[in-house]
Amino acid sequence: NAGVTQTPKFRILKIGQSMTLQCTQDMNHNYMYWYRQDPGMGLKLIYYSVGAGITDKGEVPNGYNVSRSTTEDFPLRLELAAPSQTSVYFCASSFGGRGYTFGSGTRLTVV
Amino acid sequence: TQLLEQSPQFLSIQEGENLTVYCNSSSVFSSLQWYRQEPGEGPVLLVTVVTGGEVKKLKRLTFQFGDARKDSSLHITAAQPGDTGLYLCAGDSSNTGKLIFGQGTTLQVKP
Repeated sequence: NAGVTQTPKFRILKIGQSMTLQCTQDMNHNYMYWYRQDPGMGLKLIYYSVGAGITDKGEVPNGYNVSRSTTEDFPLRLELAAPSQTSVYFCASSFGGRGYTFGSGTRLTVV
Repeated sequence: TQLLEQSPQFLSIQEGENLTVYCNSSSVFSSLQWYRQEPGEGPVLLVTVVTGGEVKKLKRLTFQFGDARKDSSLHITAAQPGDTGLYLCAGDSSNTGKLIFGQGTTLQVKP
């Protein structure tokens, strides 16, 4: 049972480039989330989804987009990368919002 | 803006000592969760509390949810070096499945 799988684990982007962070879960969870974690700041919610075809903004959505075409996958798209998007990104899933299962994260540096 | 304040932010203790981490807010939460995160990994769920005044024990860890469901504490008895990590509290204030995270408490237990 893989849980939540994120790819890639590390990535360096140049300012203005775009990329997609992949997230897939095999637990049939209906809720999925994207958080970013910066030192001393805890985790901030970027986007979330309560089911396939439904997405909504979190606390810090600017500069990001998401889609949820299947229950399993919840990719996060960065358009026109900026240095402020340097962070560690975590995908998570849950059943009905109780007890998140997190992936191991993607460390992104924008230079 | 809903906030969860954790204290202390950093804690360095000797093996065998006891400690308590606090998580406070002015908001009422339908549930509160505690996670532990190790370097390079995603947070891992330790416990979920949902009832005001609830106390849960996990080996040497004791979790308490405040009577008014606005605060929580994590108490570790006889800390071990393996307890070292970042402890995060997270609350769902509107029963939407979206968690708000505290900024975390970094615990170092020295042998």
